[in-house]
Amino acid sequence: AQKVTQAQTEISVVEKEDVTLDCVYETRDTTYYLFWYKQPPSGELVFLIRRNSFDEQNEISGRYSWNFQKSTSSFNFTITASQVVDSAVYFCVYNFNKFYFGSGTKLNVKP
Amino acid sequence: KAGVTQTPRYLIKTRGQQVTLSCSPISGHRSVSWYQQTPGQGLQFLFEYFSETQRNKGNFPGRFSGRQFSNSRSEMNVSTLELGDSALYLCASSFETDEQYFGPGTRLTVT
Repeated sequence: AQKVTQAQTEISVVEKEDVTLDCVYETRDTTYYLFWYKQPPSGELVFLIRRNSFDEQNEISGRYSWNFQKSTSSFNFTITASQVVDSAVYFCVYNFNKFYFGSGTKLNVKP
Repeated sequence: KAGVTQTPRYLIKTRGQQVTLSCSPISGHRSVSWYQQTPGQGLQFLFEYFSETQRNKGNFPGRFSGRQFSNSRSEMNVSTLELGDSALYLCASSFETDEQYFGPGTRLTVT
């Protein structure tokens, strides 16, 4: 069965530090999608990125970057120069027919 | 485009009662999924509807049911409420198997 593991339950950093959120998944599927979502204290989940299993190109969007490595079944998320507004719970999600959410990593960015 | 809307936002019910939650997807989106979020279990997939048909289902008892209307609006029903059903219920819509866009959720408290 598919499984998404986010081993880091909670991370605390000081503003401007870089932080990487880890995500490892298990699958036997050859075609699938991976996502990252952000859930700020307000509660509404916000879509950040989608990757399909055939696209291992890393992506950068402003201060956010994602490293997808199929060989290690990992899809890690890095925030560069973190800001207080980045404080949230971040979910890594696997999708093939159904969406499977990781347990989430709570990021606390302190001023 | 308007985002995903969910009504009501907050609800308090008594054990044994039933409840119906409503979700209006983003215009043009045909898939609607429901999730239950609790501190202990995290985000768990309930079911997905696509063009009025249940396409996928999670591992929840039969007390949890849903339906989708021809305009893609969806309702979720929980019968014979239990204390453990207290949770944030999230609805998400997507076009096909694209990224999901989430609503603000309905906070259900069962007393």
